[in-house]
Amino acid sequence: RKEVEQDPGPFNVPEGATVAFNCTYSNSASQSFFWYRQDCRKEPKLLMSVYSSGNEDGRFTAQLNRASQYISLLIRDSKLSDSATYLCVVNEDTGRRALTFGSGTRLQVQP
Amino acid sequence: NAGVTQTPKFRVLKTGQSMTLLCAQDMNHEYMYWYRQDPGMGLRLIHYSVGEGTTAKGEVPDGYNVSRLKKQNFLLGLESAAPSQTSVYFCASRFSYEQYFGPGTRLTVT
Repeated sequence: RKEVEQDPGPFNVPEGATVAFNCTYSNSASQSFFWYRQDCRKEPKLLMSVYSSGNEDGRFTAQLNRASQYISLLIRDSKLSDSATYLCVVNEDTGRRALTFGSGTRLQVQP
Repeated sequence: NAGVTQTPKFRVLKTGQSMTLLCAQDMNHEYMYWYRQDPGMGLRLIHYSVGEGTTAKGEVPDGYNVSRLKKQNFLLGLESAAPSQTSVYFCASRFSYEQYFGPGTRLTVT
């Protein structure tokens, strides 16, 4: 079983749509959670951190449910430029301070 | 401020050849990492370093070696390349909980 699981997609949505991605993680001791964005053939970049209280950054909202061990990302009013792969990322807070990545969900926003 | 840089960007190797990938960061970060990314697998940690002169194994270390002689550089070596090592390799450094990635090296082993 993968430590961080995501639906690979692709999610094909029209411009202006609202789209939501979910991700589940297996290690209940995980401490920190993130969404990274990766454009085609580029490196991953931090999109936003995910807090238990939920957090919002413009059109993006992230939520964490520790009891069910899942993380969500909501994108409102999708833009063409949102087309990318979204990686769910978990920090297990071990000594190596490395992150565990999901394999990503691909989003394609269409005109 | 270049952030994290990687050289080379592309490389084709024959089975059994060796090579070294160089990662450099100018942000004075202590933690550095090497990942590989394969289709459908996500990023997997190969080796990491928590400071100059230290290295440790990640989840897929076999067939790779690393060195961190200087704080700003983290080298990944392949002693005898195999086709299974065909992948995209990303280096990253870390500040707090955010990891900053280099642009990647696309390696093909034939």
